Amino acid sequence: NAGVTQTPKFRILKIGQSMTLQCAQDMNHNYMYWYRQDPGMGLKLIYYSVGAGITDKGEVPNGYNVSRSTTEDFPLRLELAAPSQTSVYFCASSREGGALNEQFFGPGTRLTVL
Amino acid sequence: QKEVEQNSGPLSVPEGAIASLNCTYSDRGSQSFFWYRQYSGKSPELIMSIYSNGDKEDGRFTAQLNKASQYVSLLIRDSQPSDSATYLCAVNRGGGADGLTFGKGTHLIIQP
Repeated sequence: NAGVTQTPKFRILKIGQSMTLQCAQDMNHNYMYWYRQDPGMGLKLIYYSVGAGITDKGEVPNGYNVSRSTTEDFPLRLELAAPSQTSVYFCASSREGGALNEQFFGPGTRLTVL
Repeated sequence: QKEVEQNSGPLSVPEGAIASLNCTYSDRGSQSFFWYRQYSGKSPELIMSIYSNGDKEDGRFTAQLNKASQYVSLLIRDSQPSDSATYLCAVNRGGGADGLTFGKGTHLIIQP
């Protein structure tokens, strides 16, 4: 049971480039989330999904897009990278939603935009 | 804007003592509360969840919730150097939305 996996671990982008951060889970969790964490800050929710084909915005969705075609995968797309998107990105999943959403996190992707 | 507040620290505690970490939240409608531990350069790891007023114990960890005061705390008994980490308090967003709102975390240092 690998849990939540993320690729790549590290990436450097130039301003204006695009990339997709991959996230997969093998726990058959319906709920998946993307967060970003800036230095010395708490995690901020970018997007989340309550099941295949259903996604919704979190606190800081601007500059990002998501899709959820399968239960297992929840990729995050950056279309036009900006220095403000330099951050560590964490994907998480949970079995339940609402008040019972104990979330389990992947190892993260450290992204630098220059 | 729903907020979760934590003292950023660092909080320095001698080995073997009790470490007490505190968190306040602004949304009275919040229903679930979580403590995550995050080592430097690593991802958050869930250590406790609490949903009802009172105490919940799991090994050396005790979570305490007081909804009237909008206050959550985490006690770590018999603190070990391996407990040195940043502890994140998180609260469910509520209002039909999923996901968690996190505090900035408290940096805990256990002194041998």
